Amino acid sequence: ETGVTQTPRHLVMGMTNKKSLKCEQHLGHNAMYWYKQSAKKPLELMFVYSLEERVENNSVPSRFSPECPNSSHLFLHLHTLQPEDSALYLCASSQEEGSNQPQHFGDGTRLSIL
Amino acid sequence: AQSVAQPEDQVNVAEGNPLTVKCTYSVSGNPYLFWYVQYPNRGLQFLLKYITGDNLVKGSYGFEAEFNKSQTSFHLKKPSALVSDSALYFCAVRLPDRGSYQLTFGKGTKLSVIP
Repeated sequence: ETGVTQTPRHLVMGMTNKKSLKCEQHLGHNAMYWYKQSAKKPLELMFVYSLEERVENNSVPSRFSPECPNSSHLFLHLHTLQPEDSALYLCASSQEEGSNQPQHFGDGTRLSIL
Repeated sequence: AQSVAQPEDQVNVAEGNPLTVKCTYSVSGNPYLFWYVQYPNRGLQFLLKYITGDNLVKGSYGFEAEFNKSQTSFHLKKPSALVSDSALYFCAVRLPDRGSYQLTFGKGTKLSVIP
């Protein structure tokens, strides 16, 4: 599915680096999400943006900083990450006219912290 | 709080046989229920959802799921498994509250279809 595009697909960074993950959706949706997927654990919702405003922040450490400049783009800025932050980071979008709409996911960014 | 349980980490089934992937949920109220599939190195793909109405829901790739309110279950089924169905399957639940964005996922079940 090409409706939600994430770049880069793979990222290796040191703990002192600063990098950003990018997500773009071409579906005309008005809500966007960041999830963390670690092995053997359920998906963890990190942030939710609706109509470009952050509506949920699930106790995520401040070393993760989201940005939603418009309804089609979502960024996750990373700085001074820890080895336990290595995971697959998934972006999703949905049309929030009632909560029965499915979320559409990108293919993720595989992040490895050295 | 809402939660989802997928009691089997792995399900193995022979090609051509029926398959079932189990899901139970715990939530107050009447939830919306979803199934997603994840292939290697890919994101999650939406398969089907239950909102209201008929307890048997049909979705993509020949999958269906049966909502059972009394057992709080939403098992995923397919009459005849294909090797290409081998993937990771996630059940998810969400409350029908406007402004509630929390989609709670189970831990996932790895389905292996053996030729």
